[in-house]
Amino acid sequence: DQQVKQNSPSLSVQEGRISILNCDYTNSMFDYFLWYKKYPAEGPTFLISISSIKDKNEDGRFTVFLNKSAKHLSLHIVPSQPGDSAVYFCAASMGGYQKVTFGTGTKLQVIP
Amino acid sequence: DADVTQTPRNRITKTGKRIMLECSQTKGHDRMYWYRQDPGLGLRLIYYSFDVKDINKGEISDGYSVSRQAQAKFSLSLESAIPNQTALYFCATSDGVTGPDTEAFFGQGTRLTVV
Repeated sequence: DQQVKQNSPSLSVQEGRISILNCDYTNSMFDYFLWYKKYPAEGPTFLISISSIKDKNEDGRFTVFLNKSAKHLSLHIVPSQPGDSAVYFCAASMGGYQKVTFGTGTKLQVIP
Repeated sequence: DADVTQTPRNRITKTGKRIMLECSQTKGHDRMYWYRQDPGLGLRLIYYSFDVKDINKGEISDGYSVSRQAQAKFSLSLESAIPNQTALYFCATSDGVTGPDTEAFFGQGTRLTVV
């Protein structure tokens, strides 16, 4: 039972354009969401997060949007750069436990 | 030096052998985790520990055991390795003090192959 789903295994975007990575979840008890980026041969690194009390959080080129009614979140990268090419994992947790559930990942390729 | 160090980085072992993966951290975090990554399945939690005396099973703990030797050390053992335990294993730490849901810091991973 996959509680956090990333239905697009891969995404290709031209440099300078917007990348939109999507994530859906099924557990309404999740109240904190995170995005991690993973390069080959490295561990995942934290990118950005959002609490369920917000619907948007922005950090430089990265913005995460949360739609609680649809149980959907998305990560926008604007403008996309070749260095953004990586696997992006969506993750969710229930506050206080920090037992984070990860999605299956989306491989982003930014084409120069 | 990395904040979260996993050893070994790569390991090939035979079916039925016992193997230990080690993790040490210099972050000073109380919380430590073991995940495995498989293609198409993302990261799945094996075990987690919120302090030295606290060990909890994750979603896929069968066939694994852990030991929290100190705040900084958390090891994962495969008692009798089997081929479907071939995967990329990650150790992670997090700080449960500054907030309930702060980011986790991951090691570089251990690629384990069971033949």
